[in-house]
Amino acid sequence: GAVVSQHPSRVICKSGTSVKIECRSLDFQATTMFWYRQFPKQSLMLMATSNEGSKATYEQGVEKDKFLINHASLTLSTLTVTSAHPEDSSFYICSATWMGREAFFGQGTRLTVV
Amino acid sequence: QKEVEQDPGPLSVPEGAIVSLNCTYSNSAFQYFMWYRQYSRKGPELLMYTYSSGNKEDGRFTAQVDKSSKYISLFIRDSQPSDSATYLCAMSDSNYQLIWGAGTKLIIKP
Repeated sequence: GAVVSQHPSRVICKSGTSVKIECRSLDFQATTMFWYRQFPKQSLMLMATSNEGSKATYEQGVEKDKFLINHASLTLSTLTVTSAHPEDSSFYICSATWMGREAFFGQGTRLTVV
Repeated sequence: QKEVEQDPGPLSVPEGAIVSLNCTYSNSAFQYFMWYRQYSRKGPELLMYTYSSGNKEDGRFTAQVDKSSKYISLFIRDSQPSDSATYLCAMSDSNYQLIWGAGTKLIIKP
């Protein structure tokens, strides 16, 4: 299957700082990328959907000013967690799809805010 | 009502049993149907991908789509403890909007 690379896999940051997570589709052009959050023992929660060159569409309850998503090219999307708080600690996963076909997932990023 | 409904489980079965996982949906425009497996602390991986109605088989896994009933299934034959994971269904329409089920946690008991 296609490869989606997510970086970093783990990050620890201090409260109040910002963290950027990258999601790259390595061997296909991702017309749409999705960002998810997952708490321990819970299912994926879709945070936002981003189409290349457009503003991201955020799910209800997700603060767009806190979780900044940029999808500037067909192979790269970034999620920036701004002014991070301990409650932002979670597993963040991206996935990428071409024209709504099968989506491929990144390896996930475990964010710990201390 | 959600567009895609999936029982979160957990579903616990003995090793060797046939497992049936299901999703129902309400949008008749869905054309592409997918099943993903997610192990704890890992990103989901694509298991099966089906376009429109019918069956698709890959090893011990069979995906089935019944568009008339708006119902999709994933069957796992000769289930193994290593199949214990969360299984997510996903589907998309011609507008390329991908909609996810909540995931079913499967436990295979040795």
